Amino acid sequence: GAGVSQSPSNKVTEKGKDVELRCDPISGHTALYWYRQSLGQGLEFLIYFQGNSAPDKSGLPSDRFSAERTGGSVSTLTIQRTQQEDSAVYLCASSFDRAYEQYFGPGTRLTVT
Amino acid sequence: RKEVEQDPGPFNVPEGATVAFNCTYSNSASQSFFWYRQDCRKEPKLLMSVYSSGNEDGRFTAQLNRASQYISLLIRDSKLSDSATYLCVVPNQAGTALIFGKGTTLSVSS
Repeated sequence: GAGVSQSPSNKVTEKGKDVELRCDPISGHTALYWYRQSLGQGLEFLIYFQGNSAPDKSGLPSDRFSAERTGGSVSTLTIQRTQQEDSAVYLCASSFDRAYEQYFGPGTRLTVT
Repeated sequence: RKEVEQDPGPFNVPEGATVAFNCTYSNSASQSFFWYRQDCRKEPKLLMSVYSSGNEDGRFTAQLNRASQYISLLIRDSKLSDSATYLCVVPNQAGTALIFGKGTTLSVSS
């Protein structure tokens, strides 16, 4: 079946611009996660959606970061006024339920120039 | 103790070798554990889940020691294609998310 998809696969933007990253989870998965991975670093948790519950935003690094999940499916991660330190691979994952096996999308490689 | 801690390596082994990685975790209430594999510039992929004392899948064996709060991953008869970073994953204290270790890098050479 179809896995987690993300778009775009690569994004180059100028410092100060806003960007939107999209994630389409596996059908039927109620949990959706966003992570960030900088070069040579581990996964950094950003935000978690579970069904209709309020999202866990505890990992968002600043108020420039926000995310939505519409209709319990597709999610968008928005970064406003991008900074060079935002450059990283942004990974989305989904799972059947919280703390179960997560399946990752291929990621969006964001470069802020 | 950190939530999830792994030896970053790298572990450099020849083909055919047996290699083991350990991972320690802090949440003594955790019931499920996972090993993921991440190839260079790729997304992490689930390798193995551990819900009881251990799990075996071909050349890969995961073992859980609850008393000492560590999980191990054993790879037998290493292949060149096993070269990757192996991530240890444990639920957080609230059980709301998975915590990923920083990974152990394995390099298998011919």
